[in-house]
Amino acid sequence: DTGVSQDPRHKITKRGQNVTFRCDPISEHNRLYWYRQTLGQGPEFLTYFQNEAQLEKSRLLSDRFSAERPKGSFSTLEIQRTEQGDSAMYLCASSLEGVDTEAFFGQGTRLTVV
Amino acid sequence: AQKVTQAQTEISVVEKEDVTLDCVYETRDTTYYLFWYKQPPSGELVFLIRRNSFDEQNEISGRYSWNFQKSTSSFNFTITASQVVDSAVYFCALSEVIVSYNTDKLIFGTGTRLQVFP
Repeated sequence: DTGVSQDPRHKITKRGQNVTFRCDPISEHNRLYWYRQTLGQGPEFLTYFQNEAQLEKSRLLSDRFSAERPKGSFSTLEIQRTEQGDSAMYLCASSLEGVDTEAFFGQGTRLTVV
Repeated sequence: AQKVTQAQTEISVVEKEDVTLDCVYETRDTTYYLFWYKQPPSGELVFLIRRNSFDEQNEISGRYSWNFQKSTSSFNFTITASQVVDSAVYFCALSEVIVSYNTDKLIFGTGTRLQVFP
């Protein structure tokens, strides 16, 4: 597998439940990003890891959201006490270190909160 | 503030027509990168092109071409002889070089949905 892999592809959950998504980046990529995309909008940056260090978090990332990348490889994004407004596509991307690189995206996890 | 504007919400063309997607960006930085991504119905964003702020040379790659003009802060994308498989949402994006923590997060526009009819 040479691409970014995300699991699950789809998640339906009841409001108030916790959900966790996983992202496996391209193996040699040390940068990993999470974005959120709502219907009809472009992706919005949530957070960024370089290796295992979380270097930037968007104001969109409320206290109910937490992301980890414990060994600098795969990453998880957890949403606690989900709300209907959390319904969106959650996209993961990875890239090599350096300024002149492009990010490669996974197919996303579509979350529906009912 | 950084901002990317794609004024065209949706474009419909008939196969073999040429189509240009517009992108206007705002940034206060002198060093930045511009991108085009394609998002087919499957949902995965597919990288198409990257340009840095110091490279205004326009390029043609197969049926794709790009027109980068710093004077008007525009980075337009043209598909020549469109095909049905080109139908997708196209996103323009901007990243700034934040040297202090070496991040290059992308700021996306709202996308342009291109429909190519046979």
